[in-house]
Amino acid sequence: QKEVEQDPGPLSVPEGAIVSLNCTYSNSAFQYFMWYRQYSRKGPELLMYTYSSGNKEDGRFTAQVDKSSKYISLFIRDSQPSDSATYLCAMSVGSGTGTASKLTFGTGTRLQVTL
Amino acid sequence: AAGVIQSPRHLIKEKRETATLKCYPIPRHDTVYWYQQGPGQDPQFLISFYEKMQSDKGSIPDRFSAQQFSDYHSELNMSSLELGDSALYFCASSFNVARKQFFGPGTRLTVL
Repeated sequence: QKEVEQDPGPLSVPEGAIVSLNCTYSNSAFQYFMWYRQYSRKGPELLMYTYSSGNKEDGRFTAQVDKSSKYISLFIRDSQPSDSATYLCAMSVGSGTGTASKLTFGTGTRLQVTL
Repeated sequence: AAGVIQSPRHLIKEKRETATLKCYPIPRHDTVYWYQQGPGQDPQFLISFYEKMQSDKGSIPDRFSAQQFSDYHSELNMSSLELGDSALYFCASSFNVARKQFFGPGTRLTVL
């Protein structure tokens, strides 16, 4: 079983819809949570970064973390065709000084926003 | 803003050949990570460097080696290439082991 589970989709929504993307995880050591957007054959682009339970908003994007349930979400408001991409959740554990902390990814959710 | 640079962007090799992938981190970033992404899969961590020292090691085959140089760029050396090594290889960088990792555009390696 993977440490991070994510519904692979694909998820198809009409333009303007609210999109909800979710990940669950099993490793309680994860303390840092990220969402990346990846267009086909491109590098992942960092969208959101959080390190505590609660909500964080940035424009049309809201990241939500519930550490007690080991559950994170990304909400996209007023979705646009340009939001069509694969969304990857990623997590890392807290580490000591001088130790680079690797990311553990979910499998990614393909999102298609239609006109 | 400057981003992570990777070269080459595409590479085609034969089985048993050697490949070298290069990564130039964002200016002032001192930490580099390498990830491998197979078709339809999520990125898998290979290895990381902080201040030119290996910091963490993931599922990197013994045929692969990497290092970070004095100017903080990094190279991933892959020998005795196998068909299964065909993938996208991403480099990411961060500042001072901060958790925000910024990814490069990737190198697409095809092994024939």
